[in-house]
Amino acid sequence: GAGVSQSPSNKVTEKGKDVELRCDPISGHTALYWYRQRLGQGLEFLIYFQGNSAPDKSGLPSDRFSAERTGESVSTLTIQRTQQEDSAVYLCASSLGWGDNQPQHFGDGTRLSIL
Amino acid sequence: AQKVTQAQTEISVVEKEDVTLDCVYETRDTTYYLFWYKQPPSGELVFLIRRNSFDEQNEISGRYSWNFQKSTSSFNFTITASQVVDSAVYFCALVSISGGYNKLIFGAGTRLAVHP
Repeated sequence: GAGVSQSPSNKVTEKGKDVELRCDPISGHTALYWYRQRLGQGLEFLIYFQGNSAPDKSGLPSDRFSAERTGESVSTLTIQRTQQEDSAVYLCASSLGWGDNQPQHFGDGTRLSIL
Repeated sequence: AQKVTQAQTEISVVEKEDVTLDCVYETRDTTYYLFWYKQPPSGELVFLIRRNSFDEQNEISGRYSWNFQKSTSSFNFTITASQVVDSAVYFCALVSISGGYNKLIFGAGTRLAVHP
């Protein structure tokens, strides 16, 4: 498809387990973003990748959260030793670039539930 | 500090009514961008509009219109003759140079329910 693709769409796991979420951006989009949306709330910025520049990790809530991106392709968001407070929808977005404020296009998200 | 406030948590209207969703923002920057996104029940975020801080002209797109007023730091969104398909959560968001131009600062959202 032409849009941002995220997998899995739903993930249920036990507290303490590690999870890995995947994002495929729109082809040609150099910028990629991860956001977290807790139930009934707005989106919180987590991390941003732009090309080969160092990522902006300022939104990551703790050192249990990390993300990687290879070049301008797939990104994975990893949460280690999950806690119940990590339950949320994790949204990935991509855009054509940075600084010209191209709109961010969002995937459908991964709904993460920690038991 | 960058902040977006959507004071209306939920709005309920009957089809064909007009409805305005409020958005108030805070930023010290003179250059910034404002956005509206729609999140229908299916969950995906749909981009609706981007407006830069130097363009205060109101914009109309079909049944949607936006009123940007720097004097009151507001960027309100009006849906005319609402339809059931407009039912969704609507988010207002801000990007500015202080925030690095790469972080959308979102409001908490307004849930709009349009009843037949």
